[in-house]
Amino acid sequence: QSVLTQPPSVSAAPGQKVTISCSGSSSNIGNNYVSWYQQLPGTAPKLLIYDNNKRPSGIPDRFSGSKSGTSATLGITGLQTGDEADYYCGTWDSSLSSVVFGGGTKLTVL
Amino acid sequence: QVTLRESGPALVKPTQTLTLTCTFSGFSLSTSGMCVSWIRQPPGKALEWLALIDWDDDKYYSTSLKTRLTISKDTSKNQVVLTMTNMDPVDTATYYCARILGRTAVGGGYFDYWGQGTLVTVSS
Repeated sequence: QSVLTQPPSVSAAPGQKVTISCSGSSSNIGNNYVSWYQQLPGTAPKLLIYDNNKRPSGIPDRFSGSKSGTSATLGITGLQTGDEADYYCGTWDSSLSSVVFGGGTKLTVL
Repeated sequence: QVTLRESGPALVKPTQTLTLTCTFSGFSLSTSGMCVSWIRQPPGKALEWLALIDWDDDKYYSTSLKTRLTISKDTSKNQVVLTMTNMDPVDTATYYCARILGRTAVGGGYFDYWGQGTLVTVSS
């Protein structure tokens, strides 16, 4: 049972847009920055978004992040088959003094 | 160029202690703000954070695994070591180490570089 809640799966057609939600509480998302990670099959996770909405160098602007209250959202536009992966949100939980992750969302590009 | 690499046994027996080493390059853990963390992922399951150590030798552990984990660093060797006692088959997972940036005095941070991971199987 993950501290952060994500939908198990989302799907959309190539070229379309998809959003992935991440729900938490005031002790984690509500008062800390959120980051997002992409994990392609058989590989290590890769940083996509940090500090709620910032993209590391090399991450295309098709990927975006936002936060409102105790929820965060990852948006992906112009979907490509290469975007099929598992996506995880993560943040710090001030009450637990721990990093917490969501349960992951599997993106299928139909 | 930042790199991290995990090393350790691929197979451990139940009740044994697991020792994993993260060897990194491209940064120093003696630099203010630097942290290294361990994360694991059971086959087909989600990421689970385990522990982190920062430049000031502050350590944080997963609440559920705290009694079994110890994290330490050897700054001169650019290594971070994680030990996990009393291993069980449910601890079978790929174990990753990752660098953390963006931590403040109240916590936070994000994992900007990850190692490739090492699969540890717990079986008799």
